[in-house]
Amino acid sequence: DIQMTQSPSTLSASVGDRVTITCRASQSISSWLAWYQQKPGKPPKLLIYKASSLQSGVPSRFSGSGSGTEFTLTISSLQPDDFATYYCQQYNSYFFPFGPGTKVDIK
Amino acid sequence: EVQLVESGGGLVQPGGSLRVSCAASGFTFSSYAMNWVRQAPGKGLQWVSLISGSGSNTYYVDSVKGRFIISRDNSKNTLYLQMNSLRAEDTAVYYCARGQRIVGASAFDYWGQGTLVTVSS
Repeated sequence: DIQMTQSPSTLSASVGDRVTITCRASQSISSWLAWYQQKPGKPPKLLIYKASSLQSGVPSRFSGSGSGTEFTLTISSLQPDDFATYYCQQYNSYFFPFGPGTKVDIK
Repeated sequence: EVQLVESGGGLVQPGGSLRVSCAASGFTFSSYAMNWVRQAPGKGLQWVSLISGSGSNTYYVDSVKGRFIISRDNSKNTLYLQMNSLRAEDTAVYYCARGQRIVGASAFDYWGQGTLVTVSS
């Protein structure tokens, strides 16, 4: 089965910072990768699909890149609403593992 | 507006059974695959199961195979997860989530608010 890893597990940053989170798959998943944002007590929210496509309504400061086994989520200028946990997920097959998550907190 | 509303969570003893439901509205339910995703307290997300739009194809994570059954009633726009032989490690918030594309595996674009299942004696 495909395994997903993320780094870092926690990231401390300030408003206005550029933030990058990395996700790696244990085998190639082409571009079949999604990124989600989750805040405490809330369901996840889809940000990016197919590695780099921005979900409707998501601010343009979020972007995704990568293919194969290595992917990144970038927040160009961190806003107060962006402090949350971020998860990647593969959907190359009918098995949809998530990464362990990256918590972005206030520095 | 797409809405997914879960119900049926609660406290159940180890070895017991529970069925959770997800009522869908705002889209053509039968056209989309649906998923269950769970999150244990303080932990990350774990995909549990997927059912195709017609209900003819189902998939499960290994840890629930043989114990959980996903199903849907397209006439009632409702998704179900029958959970049997429950274990303490099944304790989690259970979310239903819609597959983004009509055909093929896809990201999950709409999520419900979740229902808490607690397995404890």
